[in-house]
Amino acid sequence: GENVEQHPSTLSVQEGDSAVIKCTYSDSASNYFPWYKQELGKRPQLIIDIRSNVGEKKDQRIAVTLNKTAKHFSLHITETQPEDSAVYFCAARTQGGSEKLVFGKGTKLTVNP
Amino acid sequence: NAGVTQTPKFQVLKTGQSMTLQCAQDMNHNSMYWYRQDPGMGLRLIYYSASEGTTDKGEVPNGYNVSRLNKREFSLRLESAAPSQTSVYFCASTMEYDQPQHFGDGTRLSIL
Repeated sequence: GENVEQHPSTLSVQEGDSAVIKCTYSDSASNYFPWYKQELGKRPQLIIDIRSNVGEKKDQRIAVTLNKTAKHFSLHITETQPEDSAVYFCAARTQGGSEKLVFGKGTKLTVNP
Repeated sequence: NAGVTQTPKFQVLKTGQSMTLQCAQDMNHNSMYWYRQDPGMGLRLIYYSASEGTTDKGEVPNGYNVSRLNKREFSLRLESAAPSQTSVYFCASTMEYDQPQHFGDGTRLSIL
């Protein structure tokens, strides 16, 4: 089955700096890769996703890149702000009829003012 | 538009008690999921229902049962609660396999 590893587990940056979170997956058939943001005590919320037919996707200060050959994908946040502080989860979904997402263990991002 | 609604929001049980967590979605989604979230472990899938009338085990199904009552509702039952089941439980739903999952607000369950 699919296995997703996420690094780092914690990340601390200064406001205005960039933050990068990386995930690797094991199943080459995986074709959908969402990223979720979870603030303390709240539900996970989708911030961006990418499908296997594209290599990069951007939405304002957030971007995701996908390298299918190396089986890894990354979340990039530029010009970080204190409100970006949260736990971020990556996930991967396998092709072939499976309806399941497999999540990484999460990265706690702290943006210091 | 409520999205995904979970009840209750908080619950304290004694070891051996049973209870059912309720989840309902109003987005006409086909697939529904139950996850548990423990510190440092991310979100782990307990059970899921790809469509009305079907259910399948996820990564950590032991000690749980589910019912897909209709397209809107997916319940999770703990028959004999154990302290190891203390966790935050999230229900989620999606229309298709490559579409985002939408999460409820969670149920914080403590078992003494």
